[in-house]
Amino acid sequence: DIQMTQSPSSLSASVGDRVTITCQASQDISNYLNWYQQKPGKAPNLLIYDASNLETGVPSRFSGSGSGTDFTFTISSLQPEDIATYYCQQYDYFPLTFGGGTKVEIK
Amino acid sequence: QVQLVESGGGVVQPGRSLRLSCVASGFTFSNYGMHWVRQAPGKGLEWVVVISYDGSNKYYADSVKGRFTISRDNSKNTLYLQMNSLRPEDTAVYYCAKLRSDYGLYGSFDFWGQGTLVTVSS
Repeated sequence: DIQMTQSPSSLSASVGDRVTITCQASQDISNYLNWYQQKPGKAPNLLIYDASNLETGVPSRFSGSGSGTDFTFTISSLQPEDIATYYCQQYDYFPLTFGGGTKVEIK
Repeated sequence: QVQLVESGGGVVQPGRSLRLSCVASGFTFSNYGMHWVRQAPGKGLEWVVVISYDGSNKYYADSVKGRFTISRDNSKNTLYLQMNSLRPEDTAVYYCAKLRSDYGLYGSFDFWGQGTLVTVSS
């Protein structure tokens, strides 16, 4: 199985800060990586697909990059409504696997 | 608009069975592979199973293989998850999720249901 190592597991930042989350795959997954946002009590919401493509309707302050084994998710200017847990997910091989999540809080 | 509505969750004793349903609307259900993803209380997301658009292909996580069965009825726009021999570690919110691209088996999940809670406890 492909292991997805996400870091940090949590972070605290101020409104307006740039926030970066990394996700490392245990083997090359090309660009077969997605990023989701999950707010408490809600289903996940797709933000970025294929490593760097912004899903329709998602604010442009969210972005993704990377390929192979190393990926980055960035919020360019943290907003109060961005408080959530973020997950990466690979879909190069079954079983599909998710990172452990990064909980983002406001400082 | 796309809607996925799960039902069938509840409290069940270890070793018993439960069947979840996911009714889809707002898109051509028969064109899309569908997945179940679960989330144990306070934990992360775990992929469970996928079924192809026509039901001909299915892949399971090792943790549920041999105990869970996915199926679909395209005439009813409904996805199912038959869960047998349930264990306490199956306790989770179960989400059905639609693939972003049609006719595929994997990719990104652009719509999710609201989830249904399954609790396995004596």
